Amino acid sequence: GEDVEQSLFLSVREGDSSVINCTYTDSSSTYLYWYKQEPGAGLQLLTYIFSNMDMKQDQRLTVLLNKKDKHLSLRIADTQTGDSAIYFCAERYGGSQGNLIFGKGTKLSVKP
Amino acid sequence: EAGVAQSPRYKIIEKRQSVAFWCNPISGHATLYWYQQILGQGPKLLIQFQNNGVVDDSQLPKDRFSAERLKGVDSTLKIQPAKLEDSAVYLCASSLDAQTGELFFGEGSRLTVL
Repeated sequence: GEDVEQSLFLSVREGDSSVINCTYTDSSSTYLYWYKQEPGAGLQLLTYIFSNMDMKQDQRLTVLLNKKDKHLSLRIADTQTGDSAIYFCAERYGGSQGNLIFGKGTKLSVKP
Repeated sequence: EAGVAQSPRYKIIEKRQSVAFWCNPISGHATLYWYQQILGQGPKLLIQFQNNGVVDDSQLPKDRFSAERLKGVDSTLKIQPAKLEDSAVYLCASSLDAQTGELFFGEGSRLTVL
């Protein structure tokens, strides 16, 4: 069945770059997403990428998509302590009207 | 713009009791979702509404869970009777454009079943 895999933890120092990786299974996924969840809060959409794109950049965020390997990554440049949160990768499964399948989330810890 | 509102934020019940959660989506958002997030996992879709119609409820345990969105705005999710494994955060989300998948989430309702 459909599945989204992520590493569970990532620890970086403030000012470094963070790279969070994700693999997905549905080759027909039209959109892929990164959501951020801070403690006690709901998920917040960070960015998304359409499947016909390889890269998308938005300020400190860079998303890379490798459709051949079904691999998605999120790079956060100049990581700040405020970036500490759980980051969820999600794919739209089952075509343009399908549902979002979320990974288990990567907990990013930023040390001063 | 007001966000997605959910209540209650926290609920503790004993197994076999019932519980109801309420969600008020962002004004004008036709699509509403209920997700279950078990500790340490990503959200899992329970049910999706488009206005007051159900689009997908394939993962809703219908023997104990029910949801409605009678007037196409607010929604209620009910669990009866609750089991220990229902302990989770229940997230409501809404979207204006279901195709792009930009969901706006509420803060969630944390359920503990003892």
